[in-house]
Amino acid sequence: SQKIEQNSEALNIQEGKTATLTCNYTNYSPAYLQWYRQDPGRGPVFLLLIRENEKEKRKERLKVTFDTTLKQSLFHITASQPADSATYLCALHPGYSSASKIIFGSGTRLSIRP
Amino acid sequence: AAGVIQSPRHLIKEKRETATLKCYPIPRHDTVYWYQQGPGQDPQFLISFYEKMQSDKGSIPDRFSAQQFSDYHSELNMSSLELGDSALYFCASRQGASTGELFFGEGSRLTVL
Repeated sequence: SQKIEQNSEALNIQEGKTATLTCNYTNYSPAYLQWYRQDPGRGPVFLLLIRENEKEKRKERLKVTFDTTLKQSLFHITASQPADSATYLCALHPGYSSASKIIFGSGTRLSIRP
Repeated sequence: AAGVIQSPRHLIKEKRETATLKCYPIPRHDTVYWYQQGPGQDPQFLISFYEKMQSDKGSIPDRFSAQQFSDYHSELNMSSLELGDSALYFCASRQGASTGELFFGEGSRLTVL
């Protein structure tokens, strides 16, 4: 069955360091992969999207890589700040139709300590 | 800017009762997704609609049904509620032709007693 795993349930990082989150998937061939941020009790908020033919995407302090051979995506937050503390979810889309199901990983709870 | 609107925000029901959740997508968005998120869990895909037609189906119980109406709003109907149905229910929308981001609402918190 399709499975998405995110590296750890929780990650604690010192402010100013780079946070690296991992998303691994099996039995799946996503056309593209997305990363979302979710704060407690709130809906997920979109951060970045990367397509299967792209290796890397950047947006301000965020960087995403996508390795379809390893079936892995890495999500980096550079110069991390306490305000970056949240749960980060990766989501996979098969691409066979625009409204086909998008599957979320279990998320990584990131804490940035001052 | 207009966002996805969900109602009600909070709902308390007894076991075996029925509940209806509503979702109003962002204007001009024709695609709606429904997700269920239990405490500490990832969002579980329930069902999606594109142009008022069901597009894909996930782990939605047979007790649940959903539809998208002519104005693109969607309703999730849940019957014979069970304790395990207690969760946050999120609706998300986007323009169907795009492969971009989902815009999520703030969710409807259902508590079954």
